[in-house]
Amino acid sequence: DVKVTQSSRYLVKRTGEKVFLECVQDMDHENMFWYRQDPGLGLRLIYFSYDVKMKEKGDIPEGYSVSREKKERFSLILESASTNQTSMYLCASSPPPGGTGELFFGEGSRLTVL
Amino acid sequence: GENVEQHPSTLSVQEGDSAVIKCTYSDSASNYFPWYKQELGKRPQLIIDIRSNVGEKKDQRIAVTLNKTAKHFSLHITETQPEDSAVYFCAASDDYKLSFGAGTTVTVRA
Repeated sequence: DVKVTQSSRYLVKRTGEKVFLECVQDMDHENMFWYRQDPGLGLRLIYFSYDVKMKEKGDIPEGYSVSREKKERFSLILESASTNQTSMYLCASSPPPGGTGELFFGEGSRLTVL
Repeated sequence: GENVEQHPSTLSVQEGDSAVIKCTYSDSASNYFPWYKQELGKRPQLIIDIRSNVGEKKDQRIAVTLNKTAKHFSLHITETQPEDSAVYFCAASDDYKLSFGAGTTVTVRA
């Protein structure tokens, strides 16, 4: 079974703090994705990566950055957290090709910014 | 970018009845259309998908239809059961990234 592990299930941070969300997959997938999930808005793509050290902006990249130093690890960074970034964050991985393979999701990280 | 609209946002059906969820997409380059199911408190999981060279696909009680000319696709669930209660997301992809609809909360009444 593919396993996508997100390091924190629940986080509470203060406005202006730097936040790191870590994601690790164990199936040697090339593609990794970060989505945020909000009620009534579905899953919105923040960033994705098709290879080590490679990143592409998704639909809502503002206020976020990512890092992929190793194939199995994809990190989402909030440089200065704001209250409107309170959300559920879902990491996913997939084998190639690109966006047309099954996505395997992590359990999610629920972030609250006070 | 791709814009995927999904309707209805909520759907309540009697056990044994059918449920239909409809989605439209904007980018004619999209060629892959999966459906994900998310049970309460769990991660989304793929339940069925269809590619642009196919008009219909069926897997037991679920089926998906695609109309590329009209840019819409639908999920059909027949003989609904309580375990079908969940949030369903449609999505569209152009080979690079997957864009999701807003989701449909399906409740199956016993």
